[in-house]
Amino acid sequence: DGGITQSPKYLFRKEGQNVTLSCEQNLNHDAMYWYRQDPGQGLRLIYYSQIVNDFQKGDIAEGYSVSREKKESFPLTVTSAQKNPTAFYLCASSIVSGTYEQYFGPGTRLTVT
Amino acid sequence: AQKVTQAQTEISVVEKEDVTLDCVYETRDTTYYLFWYKQPPSGELVFLIRRNSFDEQNEISGRYSWNFQKSTSSFNFTITASQVVDSAVYFCALINTGFQKLVFGTGTRLLVSP
Repeated sequence: DGGITQSPKYLFRKEGQNVTLSCEQNLNHDAMYWYRQDPGQGLRLIYYSQIVNDFQKGDIAEGYSVSREKKESFPLTVTSAQKNPTAFYLCASSIVSGTYEQYFGPGTRLTVT
Repeated sequence: AQKVTQAQTEISVVEKEDVTLDCVYETRDTTYYLFWYKQPPSGELVFLIRRNSFDEQNEISGRYSWNFQKSTSSFNFTITASQVVDSAVYFCALINTGFQKLVFGTGTRLLVSP
């Protein structure tokens, strides 16, 4: 089955620790994205990547970092510099970047205390 | 600047009722694309429809239908004969051809009770 995998579903960390969220896709999509969702709000773009070894900041990149070493993988690191990291994080991919529909993974709910 | 407004925060209906979810958008571009996504309680966003700005034909897919009106900058979504499984948060989104960002509305939570 083709799709997007995010792990783990729930993640708990202490304040001051960096944490990396996994995102893997086997859809052969070139573009991948990370979004953050807070209660009662829409999705906000953190980072996106149109091709391997290249990525761009979205609207709320501060405190986050990404890498794109393989087409299938786009991990997101939430650093200790992110002031309010507790949120629901969604990874997505699309055929190419642009106007094509994006397909989403199941999400990771991160809680930092 | 682009913006998507979903003024209805939450809608509650009884099963078999019809329900319309409103979406109003703002963009200066003449070419753009609109989307609807469904987010069930599991959290994953499910793609429902993509419509480009040059195609104002209404679309029907089973119990779902979409009404795109450029004159009012609206892209409304109607569920006919709602079912409990339709309970979810629904997001409307917009992107222009220059990319690079899919702009989401704040979502409408639909509760369908038996």
